[in-house]
This record gives sequence, C-alpha cells and structure tokens, in this order.
Amino acid sequence: DAGVIQSPRHEVTEMGQEVTLRCKPISGHDYLFWYRQTMMRGLELLIYFNNNVPIDDSGMPEDRFSAKMPNASFSTLKIQPSEPRDSAVYFCASSLGDGRTDTQYFGPGTRLTVL
Amino acid sequence: QKEVEQDPGPLSVPEGAIVSLNCTYSNSAFQYFMWYRQYSRKGPELLMYTYSSGNKEDGRFTAQVDKSSKYISLFIRDSQPSDSATYLCATPAAGNFNKFYFGSGTKLNVKP
Repeated sequence: DAGVIQSPRHEVTEMGQEVTLRCKPISGHDYLFWYRQTMMRGLELLIYFNNNVPIDDSGMPEDRFSAKMPNASFSTLKIQPSEPRDSAVYFCASSLGDGRTDTQYFGPGTRLTVL
Repeated sequence: QKEVEQDPGPLSVPEGAIVSLNCTYSNSAFQYFMWYRQYSRKGPELLMYTYSSGNKEDGRFTAQVDKSSKYISLFIRDSQPSDSATYLCATPAAGNFNKFYFGSGTKLNVKP
C-alpha cells in the first residue's frame, strides 16, 4: 500500500485566500484524523472521522476551518480565509479501527505558509 | 497546563550512548502511552506502546511508565546516527482512544 497520501506537499498563499488540503487514507481504514503541528503548540488533533462521519471536531480552532470526508478514500481540510497564524504542517492520519487496538498511520504532511 | 509536557531539547549525544527521553502527564486517568518517532520532513510513526506502569522492551528501545509520579520515559541503548529524529510521547484522552495528546517532541541528534 502507498500509505496515507497528502497533497499538496507545500502550499504558499497570501492572507485571505482559501486553502484546501487533501488526504487519501490507507484503503480499508475506517478512521481519518487531521492534525496540525507548530513549534509553539506541537502536534494537535483538529478533527477525526469514523466511517466518513465527523466524530470530534473540538480541536478545530475557528469557523474558518472546515473538514469533509465525502467518501472513504478522500478528505479535505479547508481554511477560508487563511491567516498568517495558520502557517503550520498539517498531517492526515488513518487507522484501521479504534485507537485501543490499531495504530494511526501518518501521511507526509502539507507544509502551509500564509504570507 | 498541557496534558503532556516534554523537554524540547535538542539533545546531542555520541554514537553508542544511552539516551533517556522523558515526559510528564497531568491526568492520573491516562493509562496508555505511546512513543512516536518523527524524522525531518516526515510524519510521526509509532515506535512503542505501553499500558499502565512498568517497562516494555523492544530491541534497543525500552519504554517505562511510572504512574505514581506521572512520568514516562524512553531509553535508547547503543544509539545510532539513524536514531536522530524528534521523539514525541503521546497518550489517548481518558475514555477516548482516538483523541491523542502529544508532547511537543524532543529532538535527538546522535553524532557518528
């Protein structure tokens, strides 16, 4: 398997623009997670899905952030409008089942820079 | 107070040294603890997974949990340059095994 696939790998945009990050989880995995990593705050869970349904979005920082999972093989994280403080590395991860028994596998991340 | 606290380092050691990486956590209800390794420009990958107190060994790596002091440790024996990475401790929220709290990570450099 190719692992979790994220695109783009790098994104540079200007403040106020809409940003869409994409993720393809490992085939057959029922859980999908979006994380953000910064030097100041470390790795934080933003939202996770189970069987395409959002379960916990308490980590989404503001209404400017939204995430969707229209099918089992694709998810997006959208920021609109983007701000410089959104600059971070965004990771997508997937797992076969519940975290009690199954490992989360991380993608390579999308490095976002908002100017 | 963050749920998991970790010294960011960096930590620089010579090849062959024993490395000790540490975290503290805030909630005594946490029972599962993980160590992730993250190479530069890559996503984290699970290294070890332990439950409750005690030690768990896997090759050159030993994970240790001390619930009385809410302290978790990762020891690396005979460290290699290939161990150079950032190490993150993590624990799932009490009652939710899909919501992980991560430490900020300790950057380790093993010099040849």
